[in-house]
Amino acid sequence: DADVTQTPRNRITKTGKRIMLECSQTKGHDRMYWYRQDPGLGLQLIYYSFDVKDINKGEISDGYSVSRQAQAKFSLSLESAIPNQTALYFCATSPGGTGSKQYFGPGTRLTVT
Amino acid sequence: SQKIEQNSEALNIQEGKTATLTCNYTNYSPAYLQWYRQDPGRGPVFLLLIRENEKEKRKERLKVTFDTTLKQSLFHITASQPADSATYLCALSGGGADGLTFGKGTHLIIQP
Repeated sequence: DADVTQTPRNRITKTGKRIMLECSQTKGHDRMYWYRQDPGLGLQLIYYSFDVKDINKGEISDGYSVSRQAQAKFSLSLESAIPNQTALYFCATSPGGTGSKQYFGPGTRLTVT
Repeated sequence: SQKIEQNSEALNIQEGKTATLTCNYTNYSPAYLQWYRQDPGRGPVFLLLIRENEKEKRKERLKVTFDTTLKQSLFHITASQPADSATYLCALSGGGADGLTFGKGTHLIIQP
């Protein structure tokens, strides 16, 4: 089984709808991250969490919110989706410690029409 | 402002040759630099980490160098194979409490 899973893998939704992307990990890591990737723009950090009680905004958090339900689960919500949020979304985990490598999920391809 | 630059154009290399990818950065003082591989539609996969006090790191056919004076890292794949074709991302960590900052990646194509 994959260490980091994301659901759904693909989603098409309409402008104004609320949508939640879910991430689960079995690696036992405290740190979890949400990134978005757009063609030509690379990966951008949306939110990150160092433990259940610690949530931090990344560089592009506007229009997004997150919930860390447990050590293993970190969800990303779009309260009112807009077309420019169409992108590939990745969840990642790391064991912590300065510079520790990150383990990425398979991604969710989100299309907002 | 902080900036990470990787070759935006695809790099075409003949099978068996050494592929060299470049990562340049400005306005950073990273404690670490990491390289990831990403295949189409998949999440990045960690390859190598090099610390600021290390000049070179090797892993099988991969070699990474880190020059903090030039603010540059070079990523080499020796004896390249078509299976090495992918996008390679460099990422900088300043040792702070946030996520990595990624470059846009270089698309590498190894031609048989």
